[in-house]
Amino acid sequence: DVKVTQSSRYLVKRTGEKVFLECVQDMDHENMFWYRQDPGLGLRLIYFSYDVKMKEKGDIPEGYSVSREKKERFSLILESASTNQTSMYLCASSVRDRGYEQYFGPGTRLTVT
Amino acid sequence: AQSVTQLDSQVPVFEEAPVELRCNYSSSVSVYLFWYVQYPNQGLQLLLKYLSGSTLVKGINGFEAEFNKSQTSFHLRKPSVHISDTAEYFCAVSETSRGSTLGRLYFGRGTQLTVWP
Repeated sequence: DVKVTQSSRYLVKRTGEKVFLECVQDMDHENMFWYRQDPGLGLRLIYFSYDVKMKEKGDIPEGYSVSREKKERFSLILESASTNQTSMYLCASSVRDRGYEQYFGPGTRLTVT
Repeated sequence: AQSVTQLDSQVPVFEEAPVELRCNYSSSVSVYLFWYVQYPNQGLQLLLKYLSGSTLVKGINGFEAEFNKSQTSFHLRKPSVHISDTAEYFCAVSETSRGSTLGRLYFGRGTQLTVWP
């Protein structure tokens, strides 16, 4: 089974801190994604990546950056955390052979105070 | 951009009743279609998917969905729900041949299914 892991389930940070959220997948998938999930808004795509060192902006990239130095790892960076970035963050990976079905990690609930 | 509409944000039903969760999408090109389920404090789990072939797709936990190309819909159904089906359900669409967005899923806002005893 595909496994997508995220570095933390719960995280509390202060305003202005630099925050790293890590995601690792173990199935050699070429595509990886970062979403944030807020009540009533569903999943919104922040960034995605089709290959190592490649990245594409999603719908809400402002205030975020990403890094993909290795195929299995995709990091989301909040350069200067703000309270409006308090949210659930979900990572996913996918591969063409399965119709781009996405496999999700358990999520990181980030609180910025 | 692709648009996915889940017509009901909340669906309350009693145990053993049938349920239908509705999903419509806007694309005029060929698509792949997905339903995901999310239990509290967990990530999303695939329920079923349509890639090609039969328009009636069966998934896990007794769910099924029917792809209707003319109505651009992919409604999810279960003939008899259980309390354990209480969760949030997301419909998603992927375009099969659109350039740089290939592989991206577009999600609806979700439908909270609550099953009462």
